[in-house]
Amino acid sequence: GIQVEQSPPDLILQEGANSTLRCNFSDSVNNLQWFHQNPWGQLINLFYIPSGTKQNGRLSATTVATERYSLLYISSSQTTDSGVYFCAVGGAGSYQLTFGKGTKLSVIP
Amino acid sequence: SQTIHQWPATLVQPVGSPLSLECTVEGTSNPNLYWYRQAAGRGLQLLFYSVGIGQISSEVPQNLSASRPQDRQFILSSKKLLLSDSGFYLCAWGGTISGYGYTFGSGTRLTVV
Repeated sequence: GIQVEQSPPDLILQEGANSTLRCNFSDSVNNLQWFHQNPWGQLINLFYIPSGTKQNGRLSATTVATERYSLLYISSSQTTDSGVYFCAVGGAGSYQLTFGKGTKLSVIP
Repeated sequence: SQTIHQWPATLVQPVGSPLSLECTVEGTSNPNLYWYRQAAGRGLQLLFYSVGIGQISSEVPQNLSASRPQDRQFILSSKKLLLSDSGFYLCAWGGTISGYGYTFGSGTRLTVV
């Protein structure tokens, strides 16, 4: 199956700082999603982005499918951005998503 | 708008007892439905998925089973729980193979004692 690697595994930021999270995957995909899991366990879908660039407020994401990676940008981080960020991918003809192990982000005031 | 409900939020069960977790979706028809488990640590593991009533695919052989008795209802069950079944169980619904974003329920934290 497709392998998904996320980096860094842990990240500590001062409030107001910017960050870039990376997701590498081992095969071509037709589904790529970014999620945020808050400290209570709720998983929130941030982006569905199998290719191209999208922006939503302070968050943006870029997927370069031909080079098999995706980036999640967080600008002007806030304490509420803390949690674990997951990248998940699905291959052609597959119903399933394979999740990376996540990046744990801690934003300190 | 579409919503997904999952209950209970927390469950403590003795080893050997049965399990039934329920997930229902509103505001959509014929959704693809998924059960994931998140053990200690961070990874999410796909357990079952369903593309229609009565259609269940299992990804990992284990002590659990799933059923889809109605279009928007997905149930995770076990006849006899093991200690290793402890974890955070998440139900999700998603679109077609060509895909769009998944929506997850709020999860059930299961502790088997």
